[in-house]
Amino acid sequence: EAGVAQSPRYKIIEKRQSVAFWCNPISGHATLYWYQQILGQGPKLLIQFQNNGVVDDSQLPKDRFSAERLKGVDSTLKIQPAKLEDSAVYLCASSSAPRGRASYEQYFGPGTRLTVT
Amino acid sequence: SQQGEEDPQALSIQEGENATMNCSYKTSINNLQWYRQNSGRGLVHLILIRSNEREKHSGRLRVTLDTSKKSSSLLITASRAADTASYFCATDTGRRALTFGSGTRLQVQP
Repeated sequence: EAGVAQSPRYKIIEKRQSVAFWCNPISGHATLYWYQQILGQGPKLLIQFQNNGVVDDSQLPKDRFSAERLKGVDSTLKIQPAKLEDSAVYLCASSSAPRGRASYEQYFGPGTRLTVT
Repeated sequence: SQQGEEDPQALSIQEGENATMNCSYKTSINNLQWYRQNSGRGLVHLILIRSNEREKHSGRLRVTLDTSKKSSSLLITASRAADTASYFCATDTGRRALTFGSGTRLQVQP
């Protein structure tokens, strides 16, 4: 079974530039998550999708971050414009949980390491 | 804010020894999960323990849960160099998604 795919693996941009990350979840997984992991900390949820609908985006900085999941499969996360404090690893995860319940294990991709200079 | 906090933040042991790390949380949970993260990689699910369970085993892993103390522990027995990683607890509080702690960095010396 193929795992969660993410690209790119690394990205270096200057502040005020824009960047986009792509995620392909495990086939058949209805729930998709984007996390931000700052060095030395645990992952923090940015947004959760159930199929192509947003379940929770309460911690997404909506003035600069946006995400979409067209057709309920692949997802993209965009930052525009980037700030220095956005330097982090962005993790995508998927789950087979029905109705987005957290009682199921999540499968994580390798992440995208973003450096904003 | 972080729901779960792991202790210790860092742990260094010799191969063959046991490693114990603890997780404390603040609010009632439905279940608690432990994940491992190798350097530069994504997280891998290790074990899930439900709020009505007190202990669970998986291979060399043993997890306990004390809901009265709002704490959990992860024991890795007979550690190996390949166990070197960061370990995170994550709680399901009934919100949709898990809330992760800040992690314990385990170093197993060969």
